Amino acid sequence: EAQVTQNPRYLITVTGKKLTVTCSQNMNHEYMSWYRQDPGLGLRQIYYSMNVEVTDKGDVPEGYKVSRKEKRNFPLILESPSPNQTSLYFCASSDRERNGYTFGSGTRLTVV
Amino acid sequence: AQSVTQLDSQVPVFEEAPVELRCNYSSSVSVYLFWYVQYPNQGLQLLLKYLSGSTLVKGINGFEAEFNKSQTSFHLRKPSVHISDTAEYFCAVSENSGYALNFGKGTSLLVTP
Repeated sequence: EAQVTQNPRYLITVTGKKLTVTCSQNMNHEYMSWYRQDPGLGLRQIYYSMNVEVTDKGDVPEGYKVSRKEKRNFPLILESPSPNQTSLYFCASSDRERNGYTFGSGTRLTVV
Repeated sequence: AQSVTQLDSQVPVFEEAPVELRCNYSSSVSVYLFWYVQYPNQGLQLLLKYLSGSTLVKGINGFEAEFNKSQTSFHLRKPSVHISDTAEYFCAVSENSGYALNFGKGTSLLVTP
């Protein structure tokens, strides 16, 4: 089944404790992206990647890092999480034909 | 850069009534347009997309949308809604030269008996 897999689904952590949210797709998509969803703000792009070793900032990159060492994986790293990063995070991927993004099921992160 | 405006944050409607969710965009270049649906506690699912060709696009679950270039709109419609259509709906736009997808803030559709 074609899918984007995110882990974990839920995470509660403390301020300053580094964490990684993993994202993997099995569709051989070139393009991958991370979004955060907050009430009343919709989805905002954090980082995106056009291909392996090619990443760039989205609209709200502060406090986040990404890497794209393999085509299928695009982890999101929070080096020092803060409470304002409490949010619902989605990973998504797309092919060259732009047939629409495929989204993961989301990761609900709470930073206390 | 493009932007997306969803004109209604909430739309209450009775079951079996028609519904229209409005979306306007601004862009200086040609665009691709999408509607996504998010059911409670789930990820986003593609409802339909406009890439080129016919301006009337049909999607899943009986939804359709019409691309109007002169009005820069891409409104979503369904002639008769069900309780199960209760969800958050997002309009999104992408410049056809790039991959970045910009989302509107969403419209919450609430269908009641």
